[in-house]
Amino acid sequence: EVQLVQSGADVKKPGESLKISCKGSGYSFSSYYIGWVRQMPGKGLEWMGSIHPGDADTRYSPSFQGQVTMSVGKSSDTAYLQWTSLKASDTAMYYCARLVSGYYFDSWGQGTLVTVSS
Amino acid sequence: QSALTQPASVSGSPGQSITISCTGASSSDVGTFDLVSWYQHHPGKAPKLIIYERTKRPSGISNRFSGSKSGNTASLTISGLQAEDEADYYCSSYGGRVFGEGTKVTVL
Repeated sequence: EVQLVQSGADVKKPGESLKISCKGSGYSFSSYYIGWVRQMPGKGLEWMGSIHPGDADTRYSPSFQGQVTMSVGKSSDTAYLQWTSLKASDTAMYYCARLVSGYYFDSWGQGTLVTVSS
Repeated sequence: QSALTQPASVSGSPGQSITISCTGASSSDVGTFDLVSWYQHHPGKAPKLIIYERTKRPSGISNRFSGSKSGNTASLTISGLQAEDEADYYCSSYGGRVFGEGTKVTVL
């Protein structure tokens, strides 16, 4: 069974850094892009970008380019989403998902709630 | 990529059929709708893929969910509406890079 398990909720202050994770199991992790999707409170889903664990090829949405960094672990089946200086507007639920055939996300993580507040 | 427009809300009574539309901003979106996918999202849970490549259902998804396309609009139809169908629904295209605005389905 394909599973994506994300790290737990986190509360940070503005200006702090954060790295959240998404660990895959039940399939060849290096063979499929992992996408990151944001859902701000009361809002819809937004694609942030996608990373290919096999070669670290990364595509960012223009809205998130320069705001976050996507990476993969060298020896683990884990993808990461990182901020160097959080803002209150980064408060949201973040999902990782497996991209299949380059067209659709067939498996999703449970989400990581990030709260940024002073 | 263009935006994908969905109605903010759709409602129906148990047993009825409802249809959610997903309209591209330009005629060039038509071709991409052959690859449109739809997701069901219950608050507090992970989104779930219910339709991919316009009409296909993943294993385990009820055949009450069906996808179609007409012109520059893709559509999701839910037949035999059930209480458990109350959720938010999103279309997506352009290789998952664009999501529609989302439609809240209410079962009356």
